Amino acid sequence: GENVEQHPSTLSVQEGDSAVIKCTYSDSASNYFPWYKQELGKRPQLIIDIRSNVGEKKDQRIAVTLNKTAKHFSLHITETQPEDSAVYFCAPYGGATNKLIFGTGTLLAVQP
Amino acid sequence: GAVVSQHPSRVICKSGTSVKIECRSLDFQATTMFWYRQFPKKSLMLMATSNEGSKATYEQGVEKDKFLINHASLTLSTLTVTSAHPEDSSFYICSARGGRTNTGELFFGEGSRLTVL
Repeated sequence: GENVEQHPSTLSVQEGDSAVIKCTYSDSASNYFPWYKQELGKRPQLIIDIRSNVGEKKDQRIAVTLNKTAKHFSLHITETQPEDSAVYFCAPYGGATNKLIFGTGTLLAVQP
Repeated sequence: GAVVSQHPSRVICKSGTSVKIECRSLDFQATTMFWYRQFPKKSLMLMATSNEGSKATYEQGVEKDKFLINHASLTLSTLTVTSAHPEDSSFYICSARGGRTNTGELFFGEGSRLTVL
């Protein structure tokens, strides 16, 4: 099955700095690459996604880059704010199975 | 985006009882629904995939007789935790995929926190 890992598992940055989280996956057939943000006790929220025919996508302070050859994609957050503090999950999809497997998660803490 | 509603949000029960959690897609037909379980500070672990009108597909290590899933309509899936024990205490989240195109995007319910005493 799909093996999904994230690095780092925890990340602490100062407000205004940038944060980068990397997701590696094993299923080369994956073609949809979302990132979810989950605040404590709440449901995951889709914050950005990218498809395999695109290498990069940006939405204001958030961007995602994809390297299909190396089978990894990354979340980039610029000008971080305290409200960005949460757990972030990647969940590559589209392989042999019809299911979304979540990565191991990254706890981002933005220090004011 | 599409709306998925999950109920109850919190439930406390005694050991040995059964608990049913409902997941509804409010404004779209969900041909596929997924049930996840999440322990504190851990990732979402897929428990099973339910398809409307057919049996659920369980992930390895998930007891199908323990976690009964029913997806009898295109807008409702239920998860029943049978004979619950304290180790079943967890955060359960459902999600649904539907619509004309299978983009992969999932819409999540609010989650249900189960505490078994």
